[in-house]
Amino acid sequence: AQSVTQLDSQVPVFEEAPVELRCNYSSSVSVYLFWYVQYPNQGLQLLLKYLSGSTLVKGINGFEAEFNKSQTSFHLRKPSVHISDTAEYFCAVVQGGYNKLIFGAGTRLAVHP
Amino acid sequence: NAGVTQTPKFQVLKTGQSMTLQCAQDMNHEYMSWYRQDPGMGLRLIHYSVGAGITDQGEVPNGYNVSRSTTEDFPLRLLSAAPSQTSVYFCASSTGGAVAGTDTQYFGPGTRLTVL
Repeated sequence: AQSVTQLDSQVPVFEEAPVELRCNYSSSVSVYLFWYVQYPNQGLQLLLKYLSGSTLVKGINGFEAEFNKSQTSFHLRKPSVHISDTAEYFCAVVQGGYNKLIFGAGTRLAVHP
Repeated sequence: NAGVTQTPKFQVLKTGQSMTLQCAQDMNHEYMSWYRQDPGMGLRLIHYSVGAGITDQGEVPNGYNVSRSTTEDFPLRLLSAAPSQTSVYFCASSTGGAVAGTDTQYFGPGTRLTVL
């Protein structure tokens, strides 16, 4: 069964510093990978997704992620964070042959001035 | 274009009561799903639907029923509420995509449910 592991439950970082949020998935078959963001008291919105093609995916708000099949990872990065990036970030996967979008437990990013 | 709407926003139930969480979308999306969000556990898929008349179970379906009689609506029924069902519930919809579930999901604002 497909599953997603987000390796850090919380990541504190200072404003303008780089950040990496880590995500590993379990499936060995074709997968489709996503990062969603949830701002306080809101629903989720899509940051970026990998379906096929280039393994480096660029998303909204300056975020990017790299699909690494050999390491079964899909880490999210931003070179310089802002206070407004404070939110919870969720990695998610759809495994080929299934129709289910499965989420990880989330990483809470706290950006400090 | 209202997107995905959910009602109610808040609800308190007593153990054993039943209720229906409403979800509607006006984007003509085929794919709809229900998630519950609990601290430290992310979002867990309860049920989903790839079109009117077609539903399937997610990761945590027990205690919940769904039906999809129209494209627009996807209600979630709690048959006999239990304290373990205290959670925030999100409905989402998407066009589905070439592989169902891979298109961008649009989430509603959520329903915060407390079962006493």
